[in-house]
Amino acid sequence: KAGVTQTPRYLIKTRGQQVTLSCSPISGHRSVSWYQQTPGQGLQFLFEYFSETQRNKGNFPGRFSGRQFSNSRSEMNVSTLELGDSALYLCASSSGPQMDTQYFGPGTRLTVL
Amino acid sequence: QQQVKQSPQSLIVQKGGISIINCAYENTAFDYFPWYQQFPGKGPALLIAIRPDVSEKKEGRFTISFNKSAKQFSLHIMDSQPGDSATYFCAASYTGGFKTIFGAGTRLFVKA
Repeated sequence: KAGVTQTPRYLIKTRGQQVTLSCSPISGHRSVSWYQQTPGQGLQFLFEYFSETQRNKGNFPGRFSGRQFSNSRSEMNVSTLELGDSALYLCASSSGPQMDTQYFGPGTRLTVL
Repeated sequence: QQQVKQSPQSLIVQKGGISIINCAYENTAFDYFPWYQQFPGKGPALLIAIRPDVSEKKEGRFTISFNKSAKQFSLHIMDSQPGDSATYFCAASYTGGFKTIFGAGTRLFVKA
């Protein structure tokens, strides 16, 4: 089975712009979670989707949003980018509804200038 | 309440030695405790996980020890190898929470 794929792998944006990141989970997995990883804050939970429904959301401003499509692919969007949004954005998928074992993608490295 | 505290931040171990990483949590609702290993440029990968109904779980050179009363759990890497050099994250989640809380990570370096 193919692993979790994320596109693009690298992205450079300027402050004020918006960005959309994409995640394709492992085939058959219905749960997709997003995390922000930075050297200072570690891995921070952004949100989780299961069958197109957001079931939980982390403590991030409303500029961070996401969605999941009927084929379980997910996107996250960050609007009005700030310098502090520079990070590695990781997507993880799980097969079951309890998201126990999560399989991570390689991440999208976002740099905001 | 939602935090998972991990220590040490970094660890240097001689080849063949034992690497020990510790984590502590507050939320007694947590019922799943995985450890992830991350190499540079890669996403984290699940290494081993435990539930609170057992005190220890071993998979190859990796062992989780779990102390429910102290709300602590640890990862032991026996016979550490240079290829184990990576960042290790403990984590916790609970059924119905749909959210995983990660520790801050431990950078392990195994000297040859």
